[in-house]
Amino acid sequence: GAGVSQTPSNKVTEKGKYVELRCDPISGHTALYWYRQSLGQGPEFLIYFQGTGAADDSGLPNDRFFAVRPEGSVSTLKIQRTERGDSAVYLCASSPSPLGTEAFFGQGTRLTVV
Amino acid sequence: AQSVSQHNHHVILSEAASLELGCNYSYGGTVNLFWYVQYPGQHLQLLLKYFSGDPLVKGIKGFEAEFIKSKFSFNLRKPSVQWSDTAEYFCAVNEGSSASKIIFGSGTRLSIRP
Repeated sequence: GAGVSQTPSNKVTEKGKYVELRCDPISGHTALYWYRQSLGQGPEFLIYFQGTGAADDSGLPNDRFFAVRPEGSVSTLKIQRTERGDSAVYLCASSPSPLGTEAFFGQGTRLTVV
Repeated sequence: AQSVSQHNHHVILSEAASLELGCNYSYGGTVNLFWYVQYPGQHLQLLLKYFSGDPLVKGIKGFEAEFIKSKFSFNLRKPSVQWSDTAEYFCAVNEGSSASKIIFGSGTRLSIRP
């Protein structure tokens, strides 16, 4: 596709439920990033993939959060037992190479936990 | 750990005024530096980037930024702002010598009075 695509664009879920957020990166991009952005804040790093492997998952807040990228393209961010504090915009970005290039961002998924 | 500080949370200017947004980072090694912009309702877009070479970099829409290594700064400038520059501006950094996550500042909201 022309850009990074994230689905769904909006997700409302009840506290305690499980959610999956999907990211389709730009074709051929090897690096993929997940960020979380709360109102009035900058993007907060969650996890970064190089190919299929998670090169850095130091930003995942706890073990309720998990992300996969099984074929080195599409990635899914999974959140178990959602809490109201998980409400935020979840951003995905990709880059052709992690070294010396910028990241291209999607529109994000707005997650609301009620 | 790397961090990015943007000291101006909200800046209000009149059209044609000059702009300078501050950005300081903490990391002692080689860095890549970015400024991203988020217009209302849109996704994050790259404004400009510094990887190496001339420390004065020019970006889109008349923006420029200067990397001052001794001050760990990468301030964004524009000589004459327009109403259409109203947006949120984010400074970001990652390690320049190896593949790594991109860390963002908390952002500066710029409001331009027509």
